[in-house]
Amino acid sequence: NAGVTQTPKFQVLKTGQSMTLQCAQDMNHNSMYWYRQDPGMGLRLIYYSASEGTTDKGEVPNGYNVSRLNKREFSLRLESAAPSQTSVYFCASSIWNTEAFFGQGTRLTVV
Amino acid sequence: QKEVEQDPGPLSVPEGAIVSLNCTYSNSAFQYFMWYRQYSRKGPELLMYTYSSGNKEDGRFTAQVDKSSKYISLFIRDSQPSDSATYLCAMTLGTGANNLFFGTGTRLTVIP
Repeated sequence: NAGVTQTPKFQVLKTGQSMTLQCAQDMNHNSMYWYRQDPGMGLRLIYYSASEGTTDKGEVPNGYNVSRLNKREFSLRLESAAPSQTSVYFCASSIWNTEAFFGQGTRLTVV
Repeated sequence: QKEVEQDPGPLSVPEGAIVSLNCTYSNSAFQYFMWYRQYSRKGPELLMYTYSSGNKEDGRFTAQVDKSSKYISLFIRDSQPSDSATYLCAMTLGTGANNLFFGTGTRLTVIP
C-alpha cells in the first residue's frame, strides 16, 4: 500500500518556467490537498479538493493552479515559476475532514 | 491571531527523559486533534489521533486534550534518539473541507 505518492521528489526551475507536480493516492480518500512548507511558516494550504470534481483555494493560491483528474490524482501547476515559490510541497489526502496522510514531498528550487 | 499556536522550540532533552509538547487553539468548535511527526526531509507522518477531551495512549506516546482550556499535549516517555524530529499538532472541525489547521511545529532533539 503506497499511500500518497508525489513526483518528482526534487526539481530546479528557472524563473518563468512552468511545471506540474503530480500526486496520487491509493486509499480511496475523498479529499486531497496541496501544502507548501517554509521555515518558520509551517504548512500553508495552497489548494484543496473536497471531492472529485471540485477544487477550492486555500490560504496561498496565487501563482498556482490545480486539477483533480480523478478520485486518485490531484496535480499542482506552476504556470510561471518565481523565486518566492521555492519551497517544499506536500500533497495530502483524507477520507473527509479528519486525519490527513501526506506524501514525501517535492523540494522545488526556483533560480 | 492564529487558529493554532505551537512553541517552535527547539527542544533538546537527554535520552530517557519525558517530553511534553503543547499546542493551544482559539476555536472551541475543533473536534478532532492530531499529532504528526516529521523527520528531516520527509513528509509529516500521523502519530496520534484523538477525539474529544481526555487521554489516549499508544506505547510511549500519550495524547491529551483539554477542551475547556483549549490545550492539547503530546507526552513522550523514555525518549529515544529516534524520536528526534519536528512534531506538528493539527486539529479539525470535523465537518466540511478546508478545516484542517496545523501548528508550526516543535523541533525536538533527543541527545544520547
